[in-house]
Amino acid sequence: EVVMTQSPATLSLSPGERATLSCRASQPISSTYLSWYQQKPGQPPRLLIYYGSTRATGIPARFSGSGSETDFALTISGLQPEDFAVYYCQQDSDFLTFGGGTKVEMK
Amino acid sequence: QVQLQESGPGLVKPSETLSLTCTVSGGSIERYYWSWIRQSPGKGLECIGYIYYGGSTNYNPSLKSRVTISADTSKSQVSLNLRSVTAADTAVYYCARHVTYFGIAVWGQGTSVTVSS
Repeated sequence: EVVMTQSPATLSLSPGERATLSCRASQPISSTYLSWYQQKPGQPPRLLIYYGSTRATGIPARFSGSGSETDFALTISGLQPEDFAVYYCQQDSDFLTFGGGTKVEMK
Repeated sequence: QVQLQESGPGLVKPSETLSLTCTVSGGSIERYYWSWIRQSPGKGLECIGYIYYGGSTNYNPSLKSRVTISADTSKSQVSLNLRSVTAADTAVYYCARHVTYFGIAVWGQGTSVTVSS
């Protein structure tokens, strides 16, 4: 099983700042199997990025995905008030597993 | 636009079987993987397993002995049975449509299940 580990657990930032969220896989995977999600309270997750770096339909350009092998990142350039939420990475190279999440909170 | 709706009891007794149904509307269940994903209170996301419309399944190794996922293409439904539940199975259960490489773009709203006597 591929274990996904996200860091930090919590990121405290102000609107307009840049957020960089990390996701590490327990073994190398192709970035094509890496997706990112945003979740707000009481809602299901929303797909942001798939194929490692491709934005899903309707996702603003301030969201970008990068990385390879075991180290991946989600960058939000210029946080908007609606971006404060929990973010998860997910791989489907071997079964389907999620990271533990990073909460982006307002400073 | 495809929509997913989970249904089933909100309360299940310990040692009993949790049974949920996901009804797919606005689209076919063919050519996709259909996943059950859960989220315990205040915790992260855990994939229970998924089924391809043709019937092949893949289960989380930690739950495999207790899980059965099935699909009824004639009813456009995907079902989850989780046997011998305990309080640790208390969670919001989501049905989701999964495409390898393309992530999970379609989610149900989730249904909350509590395991308690």
